[in-house]
Amino acid sequence: SQTIHQWPATLVQPVGSPLSLECTVEGTSNPNLYWYRQAAGRGLQLLFYSVGIGQISSEVPQNLSASRPQDRQFILSSKKLLLSDSGFYLCAWSPRRPYSYNSPLHFGNGTRLTVT
Amino acid sequence: ILNVEQSPQSLHVQEGDSTNFTCSFPSSNFYALHWYRWETAKSPEALFVMTLNGDEKKKGRISATLNTKEGYSYLYIKGSQPEDSATYLCAHGTSYGKLTFGQGTILTVHP
Repeated sequence: SQTIHQWPATLVQPVGSPLSLECTVEGTSNPNLYWYRQAAGRGLQLLFYSVGIGQISSEVPQNLSASRPQDRQFILSSKKLLLSDSGFYLCAWSPRRPYSYNSPLHFGNGTRLTVT
Repeated sequence: ILNVEQSPQSLHVQEGDSTNFTCSFPSSNFYALHWYRWETAKSPEALFVMTLNGDEKKKGRISATLNTKEGYSYLYIKGSQPEDSATYLCAHGTSYGKLTFGQGTILTVHP
């Protein structure tokens, strides 16, 4: 069966410090991968998605970047965190199919990031 | 409607009550409508994915309907139980599985 691992679960970082959140998927190949964020009082917002190694699409301009160095590994990074980067970050995957919108997303357990 | 909107924002019901929530989404360029349940301290879990106008899906006591022409979906819970307490999210799907989520409906079922 497929599993998704996301870490760390919680993180407290000072403004201006770097960030690296990691997500790995097991039990499947060539998945679509996603990073979502839920800021306080808001819904889930898509930050990045990837359909293959090295292929990253950004949905909103921001202080963050994403990379996919291996097929089942997705990393969210920042060189210098801002207060506004605080939130709950979720990694997700879906099967790579011609009609990916038909496939439900499978989410990790999330990372609670607090920037102080 | 340009975004995905859910109502109500929160709902308190008694155990045994039936309840329903609404999700409104752009009716143009429609691909799919997803429903997720997000329990506290867990990750969101998919309930339904619907693609066709008039679709009806059922999973136990939970069911959902879809109207793509007018841009809305209803989620129904029959005989609510305390374990149904969660945030229910709907999302409008486009190509590559990109989903635009609503803010969710927080359901609390009191014993």
